[in-house]
Amino acid sequence: SAVISQKPSRDICQRGTSLTIQCQVDSQVTMMFWYRQQPGQSLTLIATANQGSEATYESGFVIDKFPISRPNLTFSTLTVSNMSPEDSSIYLCSVAGTSGSNEQFFGPGTRLTVL
Amino acid sequence: AQSVTQPDIHITVSEGASLELRCNYSYGATPYLFWYVQSPGQGLQLLLKYFSGDTLVQGIKGFEAEFKRSQSSFNLRKPSVHWSDAAEYFCAVSGGSNYKLTFGKGTLLTVNP
Repeated sequence: SAVISQKPSRDICQRGTSLTIQCQVDSQVTMMFWYRQQPGQSLTLIATANQGSEATYESGFVIDKFPISRPNLTFSTLTVSNMSPEDSSIYLCSVAGTSGSNEQFFGPGTRLTVL
Repeated sequence: AQSVTQPDIHITVSEGASLELRCNYSYGATPYLFWYVQSPGQGLQLLLKYFSGDTLVQGIKGFEAEFKRSQSSFNLRKPSVHWSDAAEYFCAVSGGSNYKLTFGKGTLLTVNP
C-alpha cells in the first residue's frame, strides 16, 4: 500500500480566508481523490484530482469553492476558499490504482475548524 | 446510483463477545465492497475487501466479512472483540473503473470491559 501524508494535520482559520491542504504520496498513483467528513458524519467525495487537467467534481461541489491541483502523479492540493463555519470538517485525500485493484488508501486527514 | 446502508448507528458489546456489523448495498452490477475502520482522531484503515471469488473474505485484526448477493449484504464479523476494536466502522461500495467510493453512514462500536 502507498504511504500518504497530508499537511497541515489541523488548522483553525478565520471566516473568509482560504486554506490549502497538501497531499503527498510516496509512489506514483493512478487516481487521487478528496473527501470531506463533516462532524459526526460519513465521508463524501468532493472530487477526483486529475493529473495535468481540471478536477472532476461531484454534485454539490464547485471549483470556485474547492480548487484542486495535481501537477504530477504523487502530489495534489485542495484549497478551501472563502471559508465559513460550515466548512469545518476533516478533509482526507485518498489514492487508488497502486495494486491494480479498486482499493483506496487514505491519508491521515486534515482537521479544519473555521471560526 | 450506488448506495450503502448501515442500519446500526451505535453498537455496544462486551470485550470477548462476538460482533456483527451490518451493511447493505445497492449497485447495478457486481460491486467492489470494502470495510474501513476509523479510530478517534485517525484516518481510515482498510480492514478487508471483496472483489470476486470466495464470498467469505478475511481481513486484518481478525475480522471477516461475507458477501451475500441474494441479500445485497456484506456484513462484518469478529468472533471475539478486543477493547482496542472500539472505533467507527464504515462500509463502502465502488464499481467499474472509476474507483469512486460511496460510504455508509458508519457504525460506532463501543466495547465494555
